[in-house]
Amino acid sequence: DSGVTQTPKHLITATGQRVTLRCSPRSGDLSVYWYQQSLDQGLQFLIQYYNGEERAKGNILERFSAQQFPDLHSELNLSSLELGDSALYFCASSVGAGDLTDTQYFGPGTRLTVL
Amino acid sequence: GDSVTQMEGPVTLSEEAFLTINCTYTATGYPSLFWYVQYPGEGLQLLLKATKADDKGSNKGFEATYRKETTSFHLEKGSVQVSDSAVYFCALDDYKLSFGAGTTVTVRA
Repeated sequence: DSGVTQTPKHLITATGQRVTLRCSPRSGDLSVYWYQQSLDQGLQFLIQYYNGEERAKGNILERFSAQQFPDLHSELNLSSLELGDSALYFCASSVGAGDLTDTQYFGPGTRLTVL
Repeated sequence: GDSVTQMEGPVTLSEEAFLTINCTYTATGYPSLFWYVQYPGEGLQLLLKATKADDKGSNKGFEATYRKETTSFHLEKGSVQVSDSAVYFCALDDYKLSFGAGTTVTVRA
C-alpha cells in the first residue's frame, strides 16, 4: 500500500458526460500528479499540482481539468467524454515539487469506461 | 524530448530463470531513472531507482545500474519466481516522469 488513495475504483459512464476522479496523497506529500494509462497511448503524464498550484502540464486535453485543494487532495475533472477517454487514471504523490530526487508513489487507479 | 525505450514483450520464463529487461533513454539533462512494477489489477509500485551515473538501484532481488555512457538502465534478476509475473516500466524523471511502453513478464512454475 503506497498511502495514496483514489476513488472511485471503477466508473462507467456514457459519452458526453462529465466525471470527477478524486485522489488523496500520502501524508506529508505536497505534490499530486495525474496520469492516464491506455492500451494505445501507454502511460502518459497529464498534470502536476504542488501545494495547490499547477506546477507542470503534460498531454492533458482541454476537456480535462484538475485542481488541488487546501487539504492537498486533488480532483481530475473529465468532461464531454468520448469513447477514447476510457482508460486507467492514476494519481501519484511526492514530497517535493518534483525535483530529480523526488520519488512518486502511485495510487491504485480509477478505471474509467465510457460507453 | 526526453524518452524511454524498453524491450518489447511479452517475456515468458520458467521459475529460477535469469531475467533481463533492457531500457535505454534519451534525455537532455541528467535524469533520475526508475523501474516501476504493475501487478495484475493493481497500480504502479516503485521497484528501484538511481539518481546519478553509476548508481545501482536494488530491491527484492532486482538490480539496475545507471549507465550514462550507454544511456541505459537495464533491469536484472538472477532467479525469478511466479510472483514476479507483472508489467515492468522503465521511467526517467527530468522534472517530469516519462515512461517506457512496459514489458509484460510471465513466470511459469
